Amino acid sequence: DQQVKQNSPSLSVQEGRISILNCDYTNSMFDYFLWYKKYPAEGPTFLISISSIKDKNEDGRFTVFLNKSAKHLSLHIVPSQPGDSAVYFCAASRLGDSSNTGKLIFGQGTTLQVKP
Amino acid sequence: KAGVTQTPRYLIKTRGQQVTLSCSPISGHRSVSWYQQTPGQGLQFLFEYFSETQRNKGNFPGRFSGRQFSNSRSEMNVSTLELGDSALYLCASAGPNTGELFFGEGSRLTVL
Repeated sequence: DQQVKQNSPSLSVQEGRISILNCDYTNSMFDYFLWYKKYPAEGPTFLISISSIKDKNEDGRFTVFLNKSAKHLSLHIVPSQPGDSAVYFCAASRLGDSSNTGKLIFGQGTTLQVKP
Repeated sequence: KAGVTQTPRYLIKTRGQQVTLSCSPISGHRSVSWYQQTPGQGLQFLFEYFSETQRNKGNFPGRFSGRQFSNSRSEMNVSTLELGDSALYLCASAGPNTGELFFGEGSRLTVL
């Protein structure tokens, strides 16, 4: 049972344009959502997060939007840069349950390619 | 502040063997989690240790086990290796009151 889904395995955009990565979840108990970026031969690195009490969080070129009613979140990268080319994972957790600190449920990942 | 350190980075085993992977978390972090990454499957949660106790467990067979030591370092063991166990095994540590995990670079296991 895939509780977090990223239905697009890959995405290709032109440098300077917007990249939109999507993620859907099924478990309404999730209250914290994160995006991680992963380069080959490296571990995932944290990018941005959002609590379920918000619908938007922005950090520089990165913005995450959360639509709780649709159980959907998206990551917007504006403008996209070639260095953003990587695999992006969305993840969800139940932060309200402190015993779940280390347990994130990840999507399958979306490979973003930003062309110069 | 040193990051999460995993050893070994790469290893090759044959079917039926067992393997032990090691993880040193960020200093002060007491939670250590393990994840398996395979192509098309994303990162799948194996288990989490906190203060030497397994706090959470994913849906993996009993061949996958782990432990945590008093200094928060953790090991995971896979016995009776199968070809399908070939994957990148990632360790992550978390500080208190945070939803963010800090990952190591992973241990790439190939089972022949």
